Amino acid sequence: GDSVTQMEGPVTLSEEAFLTINCTYTATGYPSLFWYVQYPGEGLQLLLKATKADDKGSNKGFEATYRKETTSFHLEKGSVQVSDSAVYFCALSESNFGNEKLTFGTGTRLTIIP
Amino acid sequence: GAVVSQHPSRVICKSGTSVKIECRSLDFQATTMFWYRQFPKQSLMLMATSNEGSKATYEQGVEKDKFLINHASLTLSTLTVTSAHPEDSSFYICSAREGGTLYGYTFGSGTRLTVV
Repeated sequence: GDSVTQMEGPVTLSEEAFLTINCTYTATGYPSLFWYVQYPGEGLQLLLKATKADDKGSNKGFEATYRKETTSFHLEKGSVQVSDSAVYFCALSESNFGNEKLTFGTGTRLTIIP
Repeated sequence: GAVVSQHPSRVICKSGTSVKIECRSLDFQATTMFWYRQFPKQSLMLMATSNEGSKATYEQGVEKDKFLINHASLTLSTLTVTSAHPEDSSFYICSAREGGTLYGYTFGSGTRLTVV
């Protein structure tokens, strides 16, 4: 079945540091890939997505490129801020008629210190 | 943008009682809603998928009689945890998908259930 393997956390960085959170996936077809962010006490918010190979999703300074050859979708940001502290989830969805459910990774807790 | 309201945000109940959690799409029609459970420091586990007007589809290992899901309208789905026990304590999150869209998932803010 489908699965998502995500870099284990927690990750602690200083403000303005470069961020990479690794994500690889296993899927039988051609999934769409997502990064979601969860701030303390809140639900998930879509951060970015890519629906086909070589697509780059970007939002709020975060980027991730859909790499089919390495089955990866690593999240990057050039300069993190304290406000980026949250839990980040990589996810995939394979279109299955009438049931496009999401499969999530285990999440990576990111803490940015001033 | 699309908004999903989930209520209550926190609830404490006694063991053996039932708790209902509501999930409403405020500005769109949600043909499909998803219910997830999140354990501490773990990922979201899909519990069930519900389509408006039909029975929910439960994931393997999820007790249908314990977690009752109703999706009676295009803007409301409810999850009822029946005869709750301390092991049911968890963070429950709903997600709604607007009809006619692919991958347009919007998540509620979650409900922290504590059973004492």
